[in-house]
Amino acid sequence: EIVLTQSPDFQSVAPKERVTITCRASQSVHSSLHWYQHKPHQSPKLLIKFASQSVSGVPSRFSGSGSGTDFTLTISSLEAEDAATYYCHQSSDLPFTFGQGTKVEFK
Amino acid sequence: EVQLVESGGGLVQPGRSLRLSCAVSGLTIDDYAMHWVRQAPGKGLEWVSGISRNGVSTGYGDSVKGRFTISRDNAKNSLSLEMNSLRADDTALYYCVKGLTGSYYFDAFDIWGQGTMVTVSS
Repeated sequence: EIVLTQSPDFQSVAPKERVTITCRASQSVHSSLHWYQHKPHQSPKLLIKFASQSVSGVPSRFSGSGSGTDFTLTISSLEAEDAATYYCHQSSDLPFTFGQGTKVEFK
Repeated sequence: EVQLVESGGGLVQPGRSLRLSCAVSGLTIDDYAMHWVRQAPGKGLEWVSGISRNGVSTGYGDSVKGRFTISRDNAKNSLSLEMNSLRADDTALYYCVKGLTGSYYFDAFDIWGQGTMVTVSS
């Protein structure tokens, strides 16, 4: 099983600050790495597909980069609505797996 | 508007079976892979199972392999998950999820239902 390790587990951020979340895979997932935002009492939302591809309707402050085993989700300027838990997910090899999640809160 | 609506969750005793269903409206699913993803209380997301657009190829998470069976009915625009030999650690909110592509491999999950809760307890 490919293990995805996110860091940090928790981040307390001031509004307008830049947020960077990393996801490291235990083996290469090529570019089959996706990012989701999950707010309490809502369903997860796809933010970035295939490591760096934007998703229609997602604000441009969200971006992704990386390939192979190291990936990054960046929120360029945190907005109030961005408080959530963020997950990476690989669909390169069975069983597909998610990272443990990174909770982003406001200071 | 695309909607995925899960049903069939509830309280079930360990060792028993349950069948989850997902009704899709607003698009036809026969071009897309479909998946089930779950979230246990206080835990993260876990991929459960996926099925290709034509239903020929399926995949399962290690914790459910041999106990759960995914299926789809493209004519009825629906997805199902048959869950047997349920255990306490299967307790979770189960999401029906639409894939971006026709293959469940190399796929991202772009539309999620609201979930149906399964509680396994005596």
